[in-house]
Amino acid sequence: GAGVSQSPSNKVTEKGKDVELRCDPISGHTALYWYRQSLGQGLEFLIYFQGNSAPDKSGLPSDRFSAERTGGSVSTLTIQRTQQEDSAVYLCASSAPGSNQPQHFGDGTRLSIL
Amino acid sequence: ELKVEQNPLFLSMQEGKNYTIYCNYSTTSDRLYWYRQDPGKSLESLFVLLSNGAVKQEGRLMASLDTKARLSTLHITAAVHDLSATYFCAATQRAGGTSYGKLTFGQGTILTVHP
Repeated sequence: GAGVSQSPSNKVTEKGKDVELRCDPISGHTALYWYRQSLGQGLEFLIYFQGNSAPDKSGLPSDRFSAERTGGSVSTLTIQRTQQEDSAVYLCASSAPGSNQPQHFGDGTRLSIL
Repeated sequence: ELKVEQNPLFLSMQEGKNYTIYCNYSTTSDRLYWYRQDPGKSLESLFVLLSNGAVKQEGRLMASLDTKARLSTLHITAAVHDLSATYFCAATQRAGGTSYGKLTFGQGTILTVHP
């Protein structure tokens, strides 16, 4: 079956612009996670959804970052007034119900802020 | 706060040799994951280790978990070039009820296997 789908795969934008990143999890996966990967910081957790609610937003680096999930499926990560330090690969993962399941990752969105 | 440390961070191996990557974590965690990442690609799940003493093997890779020592190992047997990649371990803690939340990743081990 289809894996986790993210779009766009690449995004180049100017500093100060807003961006939206989209994640389509694997069908039936109730948990959805956003991470980002950068050279300096490694893999960092951003936010976790269980269904449509976000019990853990502790990784969002500032109030410029927000995310939502609708219908227990698609999620959108929004970064407002982008800064150069926001440049990274943003990875989405989903996992099936049950505590023994791994998180399955999408291919990511490579975000470059000029 | 859960912290995860891997070593070594860089590993250059000859084909046919054996080696072990170590993953230490700082606080209680009874779920340990190993992932592989090829350059420019996403993360591929290799192993999920669920309990103390768990051992899993797939091909030339074997992973184990010692929750008392807060240590997981990824052992590579008779390395081949195709194993060249970055390997990450990640730990997680219960988020509430039976669900587990975020993964906390190690720094990654860049493995290069050469003839």
